[in-house]
Amino acid sequence: GDSVTQMEGPVTLSEEAFLTINCTYTATGYPSLFWYVQYPGEGLQLLLKATKADDKGSNKGFEATYRKETTSFHLEKGSVQVSDSAVYFCALSEGDYGGSQGNLIFGKGTKLSVKP
Amino acid sequence: DGGITQSPKYLFRKEGQNVTLSCEQNLNHDAMYWYRQDPGQGLRLIYYSQIVNDFQKGDIAEGYSVSREKKESFPLTVTSAQKNPTAFYLCASARGPDNYGYTFGSGTRLTVV
Repeated sequence: GDSVTQMEGPVTLSEEAFLTINCTYTATGYPSLFWYVQYPGEGLQLLLKATKADDKGSNKGFEATYRKETTSFHLEKGSVQVSDSAVYFCALSEGDYGGSQGNLIFGKGTKLSVKP
Repeated sequence: DGGITQSPKYLFRKEGQNVTLSCEQNLNHDAMYWYRQDPGQGLRLIYYSQIVNDFQKGDIAEGYSVSREKKESFPLTVTSAQKNPTAFYLCASARGPDNYGYTFGSGTRLTVV
């Protein structure tokens, strides 16, 4: 079945460092891809999404590009801040892009800690 | 503002008791979901509902029950049959057949005492 694999954490960076969190997926169709962020003690918030190959999702300085050829959706940010410390989840929706959305399948999450 | 509300934020349960977690949304979303999150773990799907009066089991439904009598509400009951209920429970909703992803509530932390 469909699945999502994220790099294991925790990831610890200094403020203003470059961030990459790797995410690869396995899917039979053409899923939509998502990044969610979870701050301590809270629910998940949608960070960005991409619905078809070569789409780039972006929000709050974070970016991710849907790469069908490498089945990847890596999250990047050029300069992280202490306030970016959180757990980041990669997810895919089953089903074809532009069509009906199935259930989301989540990766296990990557904890990011940014030190001042 | 529209959103999804989970209550209570913290819940304590004695062994052998059933407890019900509330999830309400005013987003006019058709689909609703319950996930369980254990420390350092990802999300595991308990139950989901794509439409009123219908719901399906997820990956870890044993020991849990749900109802979907209204579009806005999707309560989760943790029964005494759930052997290890201490966890963080997240409710989510989605519009349905589109690609906008889910909206999550802020979660309920359940502890068995």
